[in-house]
Amino acid sequence: GAVVSQHPSRVICKSGTSVKIECRSLDFQATTMFWYRQFPKQSLMLMATSNEGSKATYEQGVEKDKFLINHASLTLSTLTVTSAHPEDSSFYICSAGVGYQRETQYFGPGTRLLVL
Amino acid sequence: AQKITQTQPGMFVQEKEAVTLDCTYDTSDPSYGLFWYKQPSSGEMIFLIYQGSYDQQNATEGRYSLNFQKARKSANLVISASQLGDSAMYFCAMREGSGGTSYGKLTFGQGTILTVHP
Repeated sequence: GAVVSQHPSRVICKSGTSVKIECRSLDFQATTMFWYRQFPKQSLMLMATSNEGSKATYEQGVEKDKFLINHASLTLSTLTVTSAHPEDSSFYICSAGVGYQRETQYFGPGTRLLVL
Repeated sequence: AQKITQTQPGMFVQEKEAVTLDCTYDTSDPSYGLFWYKQPSSGEMIFLIYQGSYDQQNATEGRYSLNFQKARKSANLVISASQLGDSAMYFCAMREGSGGTSYGKLTFGQGTILTVHP
């Protein structure tokens, strides 16, 4: 099946710093990728839709200036958490659809962010 | 209002037995897709099965089958012959619509933790 990678898998940073997370589709082109956030023992919540070559579409309540998304190519989307705070600590996971109808959504392995 | 509801926070099943995980959904869109994912403790999301709203037959993938009852808006996952490795969190998710720039985004249920006993 299609493979989506994420880097880094785990990151610890100090409060106030920025962290960049990469999401790559390894063996297919993804015009659209999605970024989700998951707190422990909770469900995944969509943060934004990343479209190649255009601005991301953010879900209600998600700060655009804090969570910067760039989809520079058909295989790479990045999420930058700017001026991270402890409440930003979470599991961030991206996904990409495969196929015209995008019936199958493949997820990256996720990135665990801990802000001290 | 919740679009995807999983009412079972936790389920237990004996190894080799079958188990059904419940999922109900709410949408007014005639075109939608329903997904089930498995999330082990490592955090990765593993795609299990997909059912389209226009599919006439219930989806099956190996030991996984989806009991799709459109009129009742339910899409329960059936796992046959449970294995110890099936212990994980299971999420039901829905994709609405048939196009647009955000096509493909998923709305997830709360999840069900499945524990398989030997």
